[in-house]
This record gives sequence, structure tokens and C-alpha cells, in this order.
Amino acid sequence: GAVVSQHPSWVICKSGTSVKIECRSLDFQATTMFWYRQFPKQSLMLMATSNEGSKATYEQGVEKDKFLINHASLTLSTLTVTSAHPEDSSFYICSATPATTYNEQFFGPGTRLTVL
Amino acid sequence: LAKTTQPISMDSYEGQEVNITCSHNNIATNDYITWYQQFPSQGPRFIIQGYKTKVTNEVASLFIPADRKSSTLSLPRVSLSDTAVYYCLVGLYNNNDMRFGAGTRLTVKP
Repeated sequence: GAVVSQHPSWVICKSGTSVKIECRSLDFQATTMFWYRQFPKQSLMLMATSNEGSKATYEQGVEKDKFLINHASLTLSTLTVTSAHPEDSSFYICSATPATTYNEQFFGPGTRLTVL
Repeated sequence: LAKTTQPISMDSYEGQEVNITCSHNNIATNDYITWYQQFPSQGPRFIIQGYKTKVTNEVASLFIPADRKSSTLSLPRVSLSDTAVYYCLVGLYNNNDMRFGAGTRLTVKP
């Protein structure tokens, strides 16, 4: 089956620093990747949709200048949390849709971000 | 944008069959119905997907009535390891409408 990886799996950083999270589709090309955020005991909240080679589409209420998304290739998307603050601490999950099908979405294992 | 409604939580016992129903009254003609399972601190895992009638795989069955306004995920003979949150999603991934509902927290007891 299709595999999506995320790196790092967890990260702790100081307030004010920036953190980059990578999302890779390991055995397929992904035209579309999604980024979600999940707080404890809550559902996944879609942050943005990124298509290879174009700007990401952000959900209402998500600051695009704070959460920078780059989808430079068909196998890699990155999410950079800029000037992180403790309220950005969360579980970040990416998913990818294969270029060959439109109805399958494969999720990464998630990245736990803790901002001190 | 098809919104989904599921029970917040369900309890069951080992060996029982569990049925979780999801309502999606405004499902569009081209929408698929997909169910995911999520354990704490992990990404969601695909369980099953269907468009209409019944779909069965090695872990679950999905029942979809003719009007497609609801769907039921059936887990046969659950075990403790099936304790998780189950999400029902409706839509097409390339239409930028993949949003998760609250999900159903299933607790399987011994």
C-alpha cells in the first residue's frame, strides 16, 4: 500500500523559533497533499491543501504567513511553523492523494510539536 | 460540502459486532464515503470506502442505502485493539473538501 512519512515524528522548540515538518509520499506521486492539525481529544482540522507547483489553499482562520507550505515536488510537501508559540503546540498530520486516483487519501504518522 | 454526523461515543465488548452509523444528508452525486480509524498520536488509517450498496474487506463492511444519505460501518467481532476513534468522510479528495467530523470514539471492554 501507499506510504506517507513525516519527519520529524516529534519536535520540541523554544518560543519564537521556526520549525519545518516534512511530508513525503514514499512510493507514489502525490498531486495533492493536505495538512491537518489536531489538538488533544479533538478531531483533525484541515489547515491547508497544497498542489504541486502552486500556492497552497488555506482554510479560513489559518494564517498563511505563519504556516508556510511548500509543495515543490510530487513527493514532498513541507509545513513551516514560523515564530512558534506555545499555542501552536499540536499534532500535525499530512496526507497525500495519488496522482492516479482521486478518491484515496493516505495519511502520515503525524508530528508532535511542543513549543516551550 | 457534505457534512457528516456520527455518535460521539460507543461502548462494546470483545467479540461483539459493532455498527457505527454516519449521516450525510447532502452527499453529492460524485461523492465517495470513506471510513478511517485513528489511534492516539497516530495518523488516521484507511478502513473502507464505498459509493453505494455494500462493500466488504478483510476488516469491515460498509452498508450504504439507496439514497446514500447515511452509511454504516460494521466491525465484526471487535477486540480490545479496536478501541479507537472512527471517522466518516464524504467527498472527493481533489475537490478540496476533505474535512473530518467529530468522529466516534469506540471503547471495547473485556
